[in-house]
Amino acid sequence: GIQVEQSPPDLILQEGANSTLRCNFSDSVNNLQWFHQNPWGQLINLFYIPSGTKQNGRLSATTVATERYSLLYISSSQTTDSGVYFCAVPPNQAGTALIFGKGTTLSVSS
Amino acid sequence: DAMVIQNPRYQVTQFGKPVTLSCSQTLNHNVMYWYQQKSSQAPKLLFHYYDKDFNNEADTPDNFQSRRPNTSFCFLDIRSPGLGDAAMYLCATSRGTGGQTEAFFGQGTRLTVV
Repeated sequence: GIQVEQSPPDLILQEGANSTLRCNFSDSVNNLQWFHQNPWGQLINLFYIPSGTKQNGRLSATTVATERYSLLYISSSQTTDSGVYFCAVPPNQAGTALIFGKGTTLSVSS
Repeated sequence: DAMVIQNPRYQVTQFGKPVTLSCSQTLNHNVMYWYQQKSSQAPKLLFHYYDKDFNNEADTPDNFQSRRPNTSFCFLDIRSPGLGDAAMYLCATSRGTGGQTEAFFGQGTRLTVV
């Protein structure tokens, strides 16, 4: 089945710093989602981005489907950005649900 | 606001005592999913419903069952919880399968087994 790899596994930042998180996937996808899991465990939708670039405030994401990767950019990080960031893709065009990468754990200190 | 709601947020159950977790949605989505997430791991799909059609993942233990009495509600039943079933349980919905449409998650239920 499809493999999803995220890097780096852990990231420690000072408040105000910028960061880039990467998601590689092993097969073609026509859908990709980025989530932020907050310290209370809730998965928050960040981006639904099968291709192209989207921006939402300090966050933006780019997916290059032909090269099988997606990037999540966080600018001017804040302590509330701390948590785990997951990317997820469907297993294949006929598959069910989402397959998650192992996540990137981000810690932002003031 | 339309959303996915899970109850309770925290559940403590005794070893071997049946427990039911609930999920409701106001998005009118066709598909409802249950995921299990253990500490420091990614969410893992247990099963899903497309309308009334139930789809079990091959490696989901028989101890886990699900019911979907109507479009809005879906339940996860753990018949005889073991210590290894302690985890966060996440419910999600989407309009269609294959991840072809965006998935939305509830707040999760954190299950403790004592």
